[in-house]
Amino acid sequence: EAQVTQNPRYLITVTGKKLTVTCSQNMNHEYMSWYRQDPGLGLRQIYYSMNVEVTDKGDVPEGYKVSRKEKRNFPLILESPSPNQTSLYFCASSLDLGSYNEQFFGPGTRLTVL
Amino acid sequence: GEDVEQSLFLSVREGDSSVINCTYTDSSSTYLYWYKQEPGAGLQLLTYIFSNMDMKQDQRLTVLLNKKDKHLSLRIADTQTGDSAIYFCAEFYTGTASKLTFGTGTRLQVTL
Repeated sequence: EAQVTQNPRYLITVTGKKLTVTCSQNMNHEYMSWYRQDPGLGLRQIYYSMNVEVTDKGDVPEGYKVSRKEKRNFPLILESPSPNQTSLYFCASSLDLGSYNEQFFGPGTRLTVL
Repeated sequence: GEDVEQSLFLSVREGDSSVINCTYTDSSSTYLYWYKQEPGAGLQLLTYIFSNMDMKQDQRLTVLLNKKDKHLSLRIADTQTGDSAIYFCAEFYTGTASKLTFGTGTRLQVTL
């Protein structure tokens, strides 16, 4: 089944404790992206990757890192999480970012930073 | 820059039509999308419209695009309880860098 998977689905952590949220897609998509969803703010893009070893900042990259060593994986790293990073995070992928390309979303990771 | 706005909440009765509105600011958008987010799930593409079209119909869904006013709407006919979800419009922008920008989302509540 074609899908985007994220792990973990739920995470409660404390300020400053490094964490990684994994994202994997099995559709051979070139483009992958991370978003955070906050009430009243919709989806805001954190980072995106056009292909392996090519990553770029989105609208709200501060406090986050990403890597794209393989086509299928795009982990989101929070080196020193803070309470303002409490949010619902979505990973998405698409064939590329040209013309019409449906973005496929993962199920989301709800992160709470205490 | 690009910005996409929606009203936050809409309540309709089952069987009525729902109209969800969206405004965007970038005239160079090529595709505009509607995504649906059901409770506890990620977003799924519902429909899309190319910027040179005025209207697109797909079963109960009708998308209207007014490019002059930069206004996009999604009409759901005969709204069902299963339509209760958050609906996001998104624009695909081809400026200095291609980008997909989402709106704030409209929560649709369908009452009996």
